[in-house]
Amino acid sequence: GIQVEQSPPDLILQEGANSTLRCNFSDSVNNLQWFHQNPWGQLINLFYIPSGTKQNGRLSATTVATERYSLLYISSSQTTDSGVYFCAVRVTQKLVFGQGTRLTINP
Amino acid sequence: DTAVSQTPKYLVTQMGNDKSIKCEQNLGHDTMYWYKQDSKKFLKIMFSYNNKELIINETVPNRFSPKSPDKAHLNLHINSLELGDSAVYFCASSQMTGFGYTFGSGTRLTVV
Repeated sequence: GIQVEQSPPDLILQEGANSTLRCNFSDSVNNLQWFHQNPWGQLINLFYIPSGTKQNGRLSATTVATERYSLLYISSSQTTDSGVYFCAVRVTQKLVFGQGTRLTINP
Repeated sequence: DTAVSQTPKYLVTQMGNDKSIKCEQNLGHDTMYWYKQDSKKFLKIMFSYNNKELIINETVPNRFSPKSPDKAHLNLHINSLELGDSAVYFCASSQMTGFGYTFGSGTRLTVV
């Protein structure tokens, strides 16, 4: 089956820093999503981005489907950005998740 | 107004018991899911229903039985609970195309 790999597994930054999270996938996809799981466990859908670039405030995402990767950019990090970021690709009717990147933003 | 709501939020129970988790969505989505998140935060699909019809059953032990009385509800019943069933269970919904994926807040199940 399709493999989804995220890097880095852990990232610790100071408030105000920028970060880039990467998601590689092993096969062609037409549906990729990014999620944020906050410290309280809630999973929030950030982007539906099968290809191209989208921006939402300080967050943006780019997917290059032909090269099988997606990037999530977080600019001017805030402590509320802490949590685990997951990318997931849709295979038939299910999402296959990467193992996540745990982001810690220190004040 | 909560989009995908699941109850209870926490469930602590003894081995061998039977328990249920309920899920309801008010987004008008036609597809609902159960995902399991283990202690290492890995998320994996368990079941998916489309318009009350089971479309994914991902090699889950048959002690787990989903039920969808209508397309807005998907419940999960677990028989003879085991220690290894301890996890966070997430309900989710989307359109059949996969667009608009929305997760519930999770149910943390602890089997003692």
